[in-house]
Amino acid sequence: AQSVSQHNHHVILSEAASLELGCNYSYGGTVNLFWYVQYPGQHLQLLLKYFSGDPLVKGIKGFEAEFIKSKFSFNLRKPSVQWSDTAEYFCAVRWGAQKLVFGQGTRLTINP
Amino acid sequence: KAGVTQTPRYLIKTRGQQVTLSCSPISGHRSVSWYQQTPGQGLQFLFEYFSETQRNKGNFPGRFSGRQFSNSRSEMNVSTLELGDSALYLCASSWAQGTVTGELFFGEGSRLTVL
Repeated sequence: AQSVSQHNHHVILSEAASLELGCNYSYGGTVNLFWYVQYPGQHLQLLLKYFSGDPLVKGIKGFEAEFIKSKFSFNLRKPSVQWSDTAEYFCAVRWGAQKLVFGQGTRLTINP
Repeated sequence: KAGVTQTPRYLIKTRGQQVTLSCSPISGHRSVSWYQQTPGQGLQFLFEYFSETQRNKGNFPGRFSGRQFSNSRSEMNVSTLELGDSALYLCASSWAQGTVTGELFFGEGSRLTVL
């Protein structure tokens, strides 16, 4: 079955630390990959997406993600986090024309 | 451009009742998806509509149903409510052409509490 796994449920970092959130999906084929963010009290927003082309994707607010097809992974990175990055982050994958499947989410807490 | 609008934002129902939630997509978006969000289960896919046709369906019981109108607005209905149906119900719209669908744009959700 199609599934998306996010390795970390809760990550706590200090400001200026580097961030990497893991995301793996169940199997290959043609995939579209997304990272969404949900800030406290706000709706889900798109951080970045991958459809094709350069596997290193840059998104908003300094986030980037790398698609590694051989590892079925799409990890999210940011070199230096800020307190305002405190939020819940969701990885999502769509196989072909199928539904968009979300991971369980990773809660990120940034301590000032 | 106006975002995805969901109504009502909050509602409280009792077990056994039914509820209808409404979603107006971003203008020009023909695909509408519904998700249930709970703290323990994350985002669970309910269904996706495109041009008034259900294109994908999640693993929810038949008490959960939806439809899409010719103007792309969508409704979902839950009948015979159970306590476990308490959740945030999210609607998302996207552009779609053929088998290709773009990223989802989410509304703020309808928070349902079942007592």
